[in-house]
Amino acid sequence: QQQVKQSPQSLIVQKGGISIINCAYENTAFDYFPWYQQFPGKGPALLIAIRPDVSEKKEGRFTISFNKSAKQFSLHIMDSQPGDSATYFCAASYSSNTGKLIFGQGTTLQVKP
Amino acid sequence: DARVTQTPRHKVTEMGQEVTMRCQPILGHNTVFWYRQTMMQGLELLAYFRNRAPLDDSGMPKDRFSAEMPDATLATLKIQPSEPRDSAVYFCASGLEPGVPQHFGDGTRLSIL
Repeated sequence: QQQVKQSPQSLIVQKGGISIINCAYENTAFDYFPWYQQFPGKGPALLIAIRPDVSEKKEGRFTISFNKSAKQFSLHIMDSQPGDSATYFCAASYSSNTGKLIFGQGTTLQVKP
Repeated sequence: DARVTQTPRHKVTEMGQEVTMRCQPILGHNTVFWYRQTMMQGLELLAYFRNRAPLDDSGMPKDRFSAEMPDATLATLKIQPSEPRDSAVYFCASGLEPGVPQHFGDGTRLSIL
């Protein structure tokens, strides 16, 4: 119940295309869903986050879509750029608890020029 | 830009030696997390502090790992004795409260020979 399942494991997209990464969870107590971006040799950096009271959140080229009934959420990167090539992690937590983040296994994105 | 600072960035040592990793959280942040990242297990929470008090260390092998916050500007993670299976990247993250985005340092890459 604590798991967050992320897919795909790796993704190759052409420059200008749309990158889509999906995550699914079981625990309905989760109330905070962030996405992190990690470059080699660096720590994860918060990209965008959503709470379950909204179905979509957009920040620039990055959009989170959230489906509460299906217990799924996804990250869409519009107009993907080579600089977006990184590993992306979804995560979930419940703020009423310790704030502990449960991470997905990560998706390595390569954007080809 | 405020950052979480971790030292050392790299550490190579022999099995059985004591290892100490240090973290300086962002000034004013009252929560500190230690994570371990490996290819097999992904990102795992080891320990969590709020206002310098340990709240959750269930992810940490108690017989060899210890985590402390001697003051608000320093968190430490110690491994004694170290084993080859401890080889990983260890991240520290800080935040203001549960559910609020956590800011990660760039990690300590630990290799135990």
